[in-house]
This record gives sequence, structure tokens and C-alpha cells, in this order.
Amino acid sequence: DAGVTQSPTHLIKTRGQQVTLRCSPKSGHDTVSWYQQALGQGPQFIFQYYEEEERQRGNFPDRFSGHQFPNYSSELNVNALLLGDSALYLCASSLLQGENSPLHFGNGTRLTVT
Amino acid sequence: DAKTTQPPSMDCAEGRAANLPCNHSTISGNEYVYWYRQIHSQGPQYIIHGLKNNETNEMASLIITEDRKSSTLILPHATLRDTAVYYCIVRVAGTDKLIFGTGTRLQVFP
Repeated sequence: DAGVTQSPTHLIKTRGQQVTLRCSPKSGHDTVSWYQQALGQGPQFIFQYYEEEERQRGNFPDRFSGHQFPNYSSELNVNALLLGDSALYLCASSLLQGENSPLHFGNGTRLTVT
Repeated sequence: DAKTTQPPSMDCAEGRAANLPCNHSTISGNEYVYWYRQIHSQGPQYIIHGLKNNETNEMASLIITEDRKSSTLILPHATLRDTAVYYCIVRVAGTDKLIFGTGTRLQVFP
């Protein structure tokens, strides 16, 4: 049973560029959410996708956008990269059953902006 | 959004029980308490969750006070591989939004 998989594992970009990160949810899951984890901090919620629509959004600017595909996989796009966007980006998936369905996390994509 | 408070660090001897406390005094009646842990360079790993009753699974036990303002995660026989940052989280009702704090860094020593 494959867990949440993310690609790539590491990425280096230059300030001002755009980046796309990818996520495949755990088998059987239909909801994907994205988190940003800066060094030494806990993860921060970016947004959640269900049925190919953004359902909930955290306190992140419009430079952060996403997409969910019919097979439930998801992409996170970040435009006009800033040095402060350097972080571990985590994808989590769940089955939309409310609070009783745990989120399962991937191991993340480490993004470095230079 | 309900916030949680945890001690920044704790030590535990291998083979002993590790008891990790968490305060969540602003939790709402329909919000669950979740525990995750994170080992360096990996994604958070789900441990256990509960609403008002005590819960136990193969990894740990979760004790929630009757007023639901605090909880304790118990690892009954800590091993060196349990060394990690442990996050106590209140899950926002109806969403996948988890509010992480800075967690407790548990160090298990031989």
C-alpha cells in the first residue's frame, strides 16, 4: 500500500522563478492538503483540495496556487519565488470523513531559493 | 483556531514510559486532539487522535482530561527510535487544517 509520494525530493531555484511540486496521495484517499515547514518551525497549512477544488486556505499569498487532478494527485505552484519561500513543502492526504480520518504526510520536497 | 502548548524538550530513559503533556484550553467541543511525530528530514508521522475518551493503539496511549483542556501522550516503553519532535495538534473542525506548534523534542537515551 503506497503512502503519500512527493516529487522532486530536492529543488534549487533562483529568486523570481516559478516552481511546481507534485504529490500522489495514499491509495484510497481523495483529499490533499499542502503545508510549508520553515527550518526549526512546525508545518503551516497552505491549502486543501477536494474534488479538484480548493476548499480551505491558510494565510498564504496568491503566489501560492494549486491543482488537484481527477486521479486525486495534486500540484503546488509558487510564482515569483522569494528567498523566504525556502522550506520543506509537505503534502498530506486523507479520506474526506471529517475529523476522524487522520492525515498522512509525505516526506516532502526541500526547496531552496537562492 | 485553538492553540496548543507543549514543553520544548524532554528526556526519557530507554525502556521507560514517556509521558508528553499538552495544553489546549481553547479547544472547541467538536475539535479532535491529534498527535504526530517528526524525525529529522521526514514528514510528520501520525500517532493517535481522540475527541474526549482515552485512546490506545499499537504505538501509544492518549489520555484526555474530562474538561478536554489538556492531554498526555504516553509511549509505554520508549526506544531510541522514538527520539523525535512530537506535535500535539487541534484539528480545525471539518477541514484538513492542522495547527502545528513548535512541539516537544523527545530525546530517548540508553
